[in-house]
Amino acid sequence: AQKITQTQPGMFVQEKEAVTLDCTYDTSDQSYGLFWYKQPSSGEMIFLIYQGSYDEQNATEGRYSLNFQKARKSANLVISASQLGDSAMYFCAMREGGNLRSSASKIIFGSGTRLSIRP
Amino acid sequence: NAGVTQTPKFRVLKTGQSMTLLCAQDMNHEYMYWYRQDPGMGLRLIHYSVGEGTTAKGEVPDGYNVSRLKKQNFLLGLESAAPSQTSVYFCATWRAGGDTQYFGPGTRLTVL
Repeated sequence: AQKITQTQPGMFVQEKEAVTLDCTYDTSDQSYGLFWYKQPSSGEMIFLIYQGSYDEQNATEGRYSLNFQKARKSANLVISASQLGDSAMYFCAMREGGNLRSSASKIIFGSGTRLSIRP
Repeated sequence: NAGVTQTPKFRVLKTGQSMTLLCAQDMNHEYMYWYRQDPGMGLRLIHYSVGEGTTAKGEVPDGYNVSRLKKQNFLLGLESAAPSQTSVYFCATWRAGGDTQYFGPGTRLTVL
């Protein structure tokens, strides 16, 4: 069965430092996708980054990068040069499915990590 | 282009009452999802749909029903609300061939 684990309930980081948010997953599928979302205090869900299981390179989107280690089943989010506006809840999510770009499947979420940036 | 909208934004129910939450999208996306988010927790999938006329159960389907009669709408029904269903409900969509899930703003439901 699918499972996403985020072991850090909360983190405090100094502004401008880099931060790594941990995510491990469990799946028996060979084809899957991993996502990270940001949820600020306003409550909206903001998509940050996506990594496909067959993608050979780690995904990057601006200051966000996904450290994908397939053998360890981990998909950590790295935020470089953190900013005060990065303070939010961060969720890791996973989607299983044969051909991810043509079939829908369940998308499940981890319990989240609350990131607080100190000025 | 409104994206994903949810109606209502807030609702208070008494135990045993019924209601329907509406999710509407104007992006012509094939897949739609309903999640609930309890305080301090992640999102849990209730039901999802891969296309008009089709629905499937997620992680926590009990107490909810869904319908997708039109591609652009995904309805979530509570037949007999219980206090355990107090939560924030999010709708999301996915375009076939895409790699991004789009979320609505959420509906805050309180069951007394």
